[in-house]
Amino acid sequence: GAVVSQHPSWVICKSGTSVKIECRSLDFQATTMFWYRQFPKQSLMLMATSNEGSKATYEQGVEKDKFLINHASLTLSTLTVTSAHPEDSSFYICSASEQGTPYEQYFGPGTRLTVT
Amino acid sequence: GESVGLHLPTLSVQEGDNSIINCAYSNSASDYFIWYKQESGKGPQFIIDIRSNMDKRQGQRVTVLLNKTVKHLSLQIAATQPGDSAVYFCAGGSGGGADGLTFGKGTHLIIQP
Repeated sequence: GAVVSQHPSWVICKSGTSVKIECRSLDFQATTMFWYRQFPKQSLMLMATSNEGSKATYEQGVEKDKFLINHASLTLSTLTVTSAHPEDSSFYICSASEQGTPYEQYFGPGTRLTVT
Repeated sequence: GESVGLHLPTLSVQEGDNSIINCAYSNSASDYFIWYKQESGKGPQFIIDIRSNMDKRQGQRVTVLLNKTVKHLSLQIAATQPGDSAVYFCAGGSGGGADGLTFGKGTHLIIQP
């Protein structure tokens, strides 16, 4: 149980275009989902926290107009990287927690974004 | 702000030996800590967690120790196996789980045959 999936697993896009990444909880309802970014050989950095039906809370330094997060249902959150640039190339990972067990965050497999 | 860091970036151990990975944190408000294992190109995999009101917790072949006095925690892996090779991250959380996690820099554990 407690499986989180991401789609796509990798994507290559041209500079200036937008890319949408999906995060799904497959066998539980995720009241809270988190988005992290990880650059090569670095740690995960929290980008934003989203609760179903609410606006996402962004960490300091993360542009909310550039990284659009939608958490429209209890099983799906999306991250859209708008007007992507090469410096946005990174590994994007989502996690989800279930109501009643907020301490347990289940991570997705990540999405590798490369902007050319 | 909160920071969680690791002392060593790389740890090399012989297969069958025990491994100890260390982590320091700065935020006294952290109420729980988690150790994750990450293999190349994959998402973090939960290993074990510990609440701030505990000082030790054991799992299968793993033990986490928490010393709140010096804000330090460690992950002990017994009888390391080749499959244990990965990057290990400690992460701290607060807000009863409502907040996202703050990750440490990571330690690359290398198992030598």
